[in-house]
Amino acid sequence: NAGVMQNPRHLVRRRGQEARLRCSPMKGHSHVYWYRQLPEEGLKFMVYLQKENIIDESGMPKERFSAEFPKEGPSILRIQQVVRGDSAAYFCASSPGQGRFTMNTEAFFGQGTRLTVV
Amino acid sequence: QKEVEQDPGPLSVPEGAIVSLNCTYSNSAFQYFMWYRQYSRKGPELLMYTYSSGNKEDGRFTAQVDKSSKYISLFIRDSQPSDSATYLCAMTLRDDKIIFGKGTRLHILP
Repeated sequence: NAGVMQNPRHLVRRRGQEARLRCSPMKGHSHVYWYRQLPEEGLKFMVYLQKENIIDESGMPKERFSAEFPKEGPSILRIQQVVRGDSAAYFCASSPGQGRFTMNTEAFFGQGTRLTVV
Repeated sequence: QKEVEQDPGPLSVPEGAIVSLNCTYSNSAFQYFMWYRQYSRKGPELLMYTYSSGNKEDGRFTAQVDKSSKYISLFIRDSQPSDSATYLCAMTLRDDKIIFGKGTRLHILP
């Protein structure tokens, strides 16, 4: 009964490199949310996806960031040409159902990927 | 005005005390209200959720929502050192992204 799995747990990239963060939702969950957390800050919404579809990307920076959730395989958050300001913890959450967050639906979070840009 | 306001603390209370954590929000359309607990370097875990005004109790935890005042609270009774963590309030519209407060760091002193 695995929960939301994120990998890697820690990722170090040099400025200008690409970072790829993976999220495997809980079994039976078809919706994925990505959040970014800076030190001493709350979770900032980035993107909400269902399989093969982006539902809401209003929190994604316009450049360098992209996300996908293919029919098969994990959701990927991709950051191109990383800069020091991208250093943060990136959390993924998944929920079941038809994209609905109701009282019977819980968003479960993974343990996060801590990205450090040097 | 931010959508969700939460005092970051830190809040330090002695073991056994009642803890009160609060958030205010600006969007009266929010329908679902949650509290998450996050230990250092871990992912948030859902503690409680509710969708109506009033109180909801689960063991030592009580969640309270006042939609007329746009104010939510989490009460922890008989606080334990293991309750030391960051507590994040969160809320959402139906079928929408979850908006979080900044979180309140809580320290329970043995």
